[in-house]
Amino acid sequence: QSVLTQPPSASGTPGQRVTISCSGSSSNIGSNTVNWYQQLPGTAPKLLIYSNNQRPSGVPDRFSGSKSGTSASLAISGLQSEDEADYYCAAWDDSLNVLFGGGTKLTVL
Amino acid sequence: QVQLVQSGSELKKPGASVKVSCKASGYTFTSYAMNWVRQAPGQGLEWMGWINTNTGNPTYAQGFTGRFVFSLDTSVSTAYLQISSLKAEDTAVYYCARVAITIFGEPNYYYGMDVWGQGTTVTVSS
Repeated sequence: QSVLTQPPSASGTPGQRVTISCSGSSSNIGSNTVNWYQQLPGTAPKLLIYSNNQRPSGVPDRFSGSKSGTSASLAISGLQSEDEADYYCAAWDDSLNVLFGGGTKLTVL
Repeated sequence: QVQLVQSGSELKKPGASVKVSCKASGYTFTSYAMNWVRQAPGQGLEWMGWINTNTGNPTYAQGFTGRFVFSLDTSVSTAYLQISSLKAEDTAVYYCARVAITIFGEPNYYYGMDVWGQGTTVTVSS
């Protein structure tokens, strides 16, 4: 069981806005930044959001991240079929480990 | 371009050992630390630890001590993961991923793991 809690699944129709939550504690999200990774089917994870809300070069601005207290969220606006993937949050923990959330499978209906 | 290229799939018997390689190109190998991440079939991502590419000093996450060894060959910009005494539960895809370092050589996860290898599938079966 992951220390960072994500919903196992999420869904939306093309064009919709969806959000994925990630809940942690004071020793991880509460005191460190959150990163988000996108894993398309059969491929390696890709950095989607770093430092809570920063997008690496090449990531569309449809993807945004936020953090408040011990929770973080990933929002995807203008949902597209190619966004169908698994999404993982991650944060450094004061126990000197990187923690990943359990992952959220996003389905585009 | 910046990339990490991992070695190919492995099929091993229980009790054997395996060594996975991760070759970096397009950047200065020692300017980033290297992480290893495991993904069991149908499961999520699990951080295994990291290795300091300047000193070769490894740090292992809980649950990855003893049978797991991180190593380097900086002359060929390559990181290695060796797993000994393989068990069926080691069956997984193993990824390497780089992370920026601080001025003290420690990993700086503020910027995330920004480049990943394509993954190496290790299957342990008799």
